[in-house]
Amino acid sequence: EVQLVESGGGLVQPGRSLKLSCAASGFTFSNYYMAWVRQAPKKGLEWVATISTSGSRTYYPDSVKGRFTISRDNAKSSLYLQMNSLKSEDTATYYCAREDYSASPYFDYWGQGVMVTVSS
Amino acid sequence: DIQMTQTPSSMPASLGERVTISCRASQGISNYLNWYQQKPDGTIKPLIYYTSNLQSGVPSRFSGSGSGTDYSLTISSLEPEDFAMYYCQQYDSSPLTFGSGTKLEIK
Repeated sequence: EVQLVESGGGLVQPGRSLKLSCAASGFTFSNYYMAWVRQAPKKGLEWVATISTSGSRTYYPDSVKGRFTISRDNAKSSLYLQMNSLKSEDTATYYCAREDYSASPYFDYWGQGVMVTVSS
Repeated sequence: DIQMTQTPSSMPASLGERVTISCRASQGISNYLNWYQQKPDGTIKPLIYYTSNLQSGVPSRFSGSGSGTDYSLTISSLEPEDFAMYYCQQYDSSPLTFGSGTKLEIK
């Protein structure tokens, strides 16, 4: 059974940093692109970052580029999101998601999410 | 960025009813369109990928169609577990973008 379990969320002050983790199990982690998607309170979904299987390629929207860094450790089946220079608008639930490229790219498994609150 | 406009934003419906949710892209996306369901507890699962392909395990009452800029998700006969939020998502170009969501509510 595929499982994605996020951790590392919490309350952080504006301008500070936080690192999220996602522990994956039930599949060969190194074979899949992985991503982070977030959802601000009472809002819709927003793609945050994607990383290739080896970690050599990363992709971000402009809203987080230069502040967030996605990374992975295939030996530990773990995905990470380093968030720096946090802003109040980064307050959201952050979901770890697996990307399936076998047929056509889509997020085929999602974690339960971890809450990040940016506030003084 | 490609903007995805979902309509309606909320939809009251009855058990057994047929419903259709629409998603319009700000430019053509070549059928690169996925649909997701989010339950009140936050659980998200895929329903449809590449416009009309049913995700494994998803009931056949769900279907997707469309082309160009206009896409839709249809539920042929609503079951109790279908009352949830629905999001479309395009992956024709970066950044990947989602629609603002449709809340399917019990009438």
